[in-house]
Amino acid sequence: KAGVTQTPRYLIKTRGQQVTLSCSPISGHRSVSWYQQTPGQGLQFLFEYFSETQRNKGNFPGRFSGRQFSNSRSEMNVSTLELGDSALYLCASSSLPGTASNYGYTFGSGTRLTVV
Amino acid sequence: TQLLEQSPQFLSIQEGENLTVYCNSSSVFSSLQWYRQEPGEGPVLLVTVVTGGEVKKLKRLTFQFGDARKDSSLHITAAQPGDTGLYLCAGVTRAGGSYIPTFGRGTSLIVHP
Repeated sequence: KAGVTQTPRYLIKTRGQQVTLSCSPISGHRSVSWYQQTPGQGLQFLFEYFSETQRNKGNFPGRFSGRQFSNSRSEMNVSTLELGDSALYLCASSSLPGTASNYGYTFGSGTRLTVV
Repeated sequence: TQLLEQSPQFLSIQEGENLTVYCNSSSVFSSLQWYRQEPGEGPVLLVTVVTGGEVKKLKRLTFQFGDARKDSSLHITAAQPGDTGLYLCAGVTRAGGSYIPTFGRGTSLIVHP
């Protein structure tokens, strides 16, 4: 079955702009999480969605937001981009919120965002 | 605050050598996962350990979960160039009805032919 699909793969934006990233989970997976990966901080948890509801949120400013659609696809949005938002943004899916504990996440290949 | 400390941060070895990567925390986890990430790709799950003291083997890779479920190690025997990558440990904790993995910063491994 198809893996987790993230689009676009690469993105260059200017400071102050906003950006929307998309994630399609594995078919049948209903839980989607987002992570930001940088060389200095590693993978930092952004948020988790299940049944179109945000269930958990990491320690990021309100400029970072997300949503999930009825088909489990998810988007995240970053407004008023800053240079420090440059990172690899990873989407991960699991069948249900609790299953990640035993079965782990399946990650997409990520969206590389560069803010100039 | 980084809940999980991984060591070493970087490792460069020759093919055939053995190595151990450590993942330590002061927190107790429901489970602990190891992932490997290659350049330009997302992390791929290698193993999940759940029980304190548990040892799992995956071919040349041996994973151990500490008795107190706060730490873990990954041992690779006779490393091969194909083992090159970023190894990430993730401690899983319960939050809001879900289980959220918190990742260490990773160990970057290069195996030279």
